[in-house]
Amino acid sequence: QQQVKQSPQSLIVQKGGISIINCAYENTAFDYFPWYQQFPGKGPALLIAIRPDVSEKKEGRFTISFNKSAKQFSLHIMDSQPGDSATYFCAARITLGRLYFGRGTQLTVWP
Amino acid sequence: KAGVTQTPRYLIKTRGQQVTLSCSPISGHRSVSWYQQTPGQGLQFLFEYFSETQRNKGNFPGRFSGRQFSNSRSEMNVSTLELGDSALYLCASRAGGRETQYFGPGTRLLVL
Repeated sequence: QQQVKQSPQSLIVQKGGISIINCAYENTAFDYFPWYQQFPGKGPALLIAIRPDVSEKKEGRFTISFNKSAKQFSLHIMDSQPGDSATYFCAARITLGRLYFGRGTQLTVWP
Repeated sequence: KAGVTQTPRYLIKTRGQQVTLSCSPISGHRSVSWYQQTPGQGLQFLFEYFSETQRNKGNFPGRFSGRQFSNSRSEMNVSTLELGDSALYLCASRAGGRETQYFGPGTRLLVL
């Protein structure tokens, strides 16, 4: 049973556009929600993270929107660039050290 | 600071063999977690070690085991390999009490 559901599976966006990736969860015990970015041949790298007591967090072109009542959160990438082309994973945590990951979204930004 | 290192980076084994993968965490990090990444199942948690003790374990069979040494380096072992064990095995380290996990590049295991 997938604890964190992520969509879409793949996303193609034009350079300069907005990329939006969505995730949903059921377990209300989750208390930390990070997003990871993974390039081919590399391990995932933390992009941005949020706690459920905050509705939005922005770091540069990356924004997390969090809807606690709907148990949903999303990643917005503004002004998407070809260098953003990668696989993005949302995740959630109950206890330190164990992350539950979504299935990933392969983002392609074409010039 | 050097990042998380994993050895070997690539490995080919045959069914029934066993394999040991190694992970060196970021200096000062005492927590090491292991994940299996496959196209079908995505990223799945295997186990976490902190100060040489296993603190958390995912839903994997007993063929998957691990350990951590006093210098925080960790190894995971898979015995009696099956074709379905072919995957990218990632380890992540974390400073005690901190949330962020830093991943290594992974070991790609192919079981023939």
